[in-house]
Amino acid sequence: DTAVSQTPKYLVTQMGNDKSIKCEQNLGHDTMYWYKQDSKKFLKIMFSYNNKELIINETVPNRFSPKSPDKAHLNLHINSLELGDSAVYFCASSQDSATSGYNEQFFGPGTRLTVL
Amino acid sequence: GEDVEQSLFLSVREGDSSVINCTYTDSSSTYLYWYKQEPGAGLQLLTYIFSNMDMKQDQRLTVLLNKKDKHLSLRIADTQTGDSAIYFCAEKDSSYKLIFGSGTRLLVRP
Repeated sequence: DTAVSQTPKYLVTQMGNDKSIKCEQNLGHDTMYWYKQDSKKFLKIMFSYNNKELIINETVPNRFSPKSPDKAHLNLHINSLELGDSAVYFCASSQDSATSGYNEQFFGPGTRLTVL
Repeated sequence: GEDVEQSLFLSVREGDSSVINCTYTDSSSTYLYWYKQEPGAGLQLLTYIFSNMDMKQDQRLTVLLNKKDKHLSLRIADTQTGDSAIYFCAEKDSSYKLIFGSGTRLLVRP
């Protein structure tokens, strides 16, 4: 009965490879997010989708492309991986869009990406 | 741009109160939040406060907001070893994004 799940939990890969991280939520939420947490625990939003539509797109490299096949899934594809992409990536979801109310976000357990 | 700052580390004895502080720069923040992150897990919302309030209490948690000084604090009464975690302050900025601080690592000593 996991609310927000991510796969894989750990991902170790070589520089230059292309990889994907998957996220699914079973909460019936309309909005999903991707965050990046660096080695100093600093957490920053990358993308947000509301009902499969991109609503927040921070200044991340074009190598990062989110894809939302339906409102329960938001996957993150990363091309040409670089050393600096090493981080923990968190998916989150919320009932409402980011504009409404206090908008509690529910986080997945994270995917630790290590680029060698 | 917006900035949220927190001290990095706090150590308290079990049973004492913990106070975690946060400062932010965006005066148009509508909501401010405290999230908890346990090792190997995602963030979990502990509590939040609307910007027109100055205090909110929820069981052992007390949030104080000083909007003039852009200062937010989280007080945990009767701190337990299970409270050991990283605590993140966050604000909802004018473009509705959550801006997080770097987190305060709370260590509760038995």
